[in-house]
Amino acid sequence: GAVVSQHPSWVICKSGTSVKIECRSLDFQATTMFWYRQFPKQSLMLMATSNEGSKATYEQGVEKDKFLINHASLTLSTLTVTSAHPEDSSFYICSASRGLSGANVLTFGAGSRLTVL
Amino acid sequence: SQQGEEDPQALSIQEGENATMNCSYKTSINNLQWYRQNSGRGLVHLILIRSNEREKHSGRLRVTLDTSKKSSSLLITASRAADTASYFCAIQGAQKLVFGQGTRLTINP
Repeated sequence: GAVVSQHPSWVICKSGTSVKIECRSLDFQATTMFWYRQFPKQSLMLMATSNEGSKATYEQGVEKDKFLINHASLTLSTLTVTSAHPEDSSFYICSASRGLSGANVLTFGAGSRLTVL
Repeated sequence: SQQGEEDPQALSIQEGENATMNCSYKTSINNLQWYRQNSGRGLVHLILIRSNEREKHSGRLRVTLDTSKKSSSLLITASRAADTASYFCAIQGAQKLVFGQGTRLTINP
């Protein structure tokens, strides 16, 4: 079945540093990947849609200069949290669309827990 | 809001009992999906039901969709301890998939 690998699974960084999270589709090509943010015991908030070879589409309220997304190949999308602050601490999850007969069925990575000190 | 609303927010039952979770939404949809999330992990797709379908089964899962009431339900029969997780409905309109708040299901052995 479709597998999405996300790395790192957890990261702790100092305030002001940048953190990169990778999302790879291992056995299928993903022209579109999605990045979500999830707070404890809450739902997933879509941050941006990452399209291979083009600029990401950000949701309203998400700072594109803060959350840099790069989708350079059909199997890799990266999210970089720049100049991270404690309020950026969260669980970030990527997903890739398998495009099942026009339906947007998503395969998720295992998530990355970011803690900014 | 396009987001689905789930009910109940939390559900605790004994192993072997059936668990029912509901999802209501406000907009027109292309399809509705259910996902499961174990604590601190990513989501796993369980089942998809299209807007022209009324019921689907997958193993111990049964999903219904009532587009006139804009609601869906997920039934897990003969629950097991391993079913403990959060369950999210997700509605797809034109393109994006929007997730509900989720139901935290606890199965007590």
